[in-house]
Amino acid sequence: GAVVSQHPSWVICKSGTSVKIECRSLDFQATTMFWYRQFPKQSLMLMATSNEGSKATYEQGVEKDKFLINHASLTLSTLTVTSAHPEDSSFYICSARGGGGQGANSPLHFGNGTRLTVT
Amino acid sequence: GDSVTQMEGPVTLSEEAFLTINCTYTATGYPSLFWYVQYPGEGLQLLLKATKADDKGSNKGFEATYRKETTSFHLEKGSVQVSDSAVYFCALRTLSGNTPLVFGKGTRLSVIA
Repeated sequence: GAVVSQHPSWVICKSGTSVKIECRSLDFQATTMFWYRQFPKQSLMLMATSNEGSKATYEQGVEKDKFLINHASLTLSTLTVTSAHPEDSSFYICSARGGGGQGANSPLHFGNGTRLTVT
Repeated sequence: GDSVTQMEGPVTLSEEAFLTINCTYTATGYPSLFWYVQYPGEGLQLLLKATKADDKGSNKGFEATYRKETTSFHLEKGSVQVSDSAVYFCALRTLSGNTPLVFGKGTRLSVIA
């Protein structure tokens, strides 16, 4: 079945540094990838929608200069948390659409998530 | 906008007990409805789905029926196992254009032997 690989699974970084999270579709082409953030005891909140070859569309309240998203190929999207601060500590999950069906009916596949801790 | 409301946890059950996790939704269109499961240390996995009213999704002994009249998609299982311990997310997706999933807050289920 379709697999989405997300790396790293966890990362600890110091305040002020930047962290890059990769999301790869291993056996299908993902024209669209979604990035979610999960706060403790809260739902998965959509951060941005990433389309291959174009700029990401960010949800209201998400700082695009802080959360840089690049979707340079059909199998790779990256999320870079720039100048991370403790409040950025969270669980980030990517989702890729593809691997069957057509258009809006294509299923969504999730990565295993990345636990970011900023000290 | 679209939204999903599901019962708050945590839910703790004994093995072989009956499980119900309530989920209701608000959507402007005609959404597809999903239940995702997140086992400890893992990512989200699709558990089951239903794409139109009165459809029943089922998988691994779990069931949920798309009830348009009550805008609900409650998850049920007749006899839970310890291995069912996880966080369960109800979600919807309106099939128009490039739409993401809208999630509920998740319900943590703990099943004890």
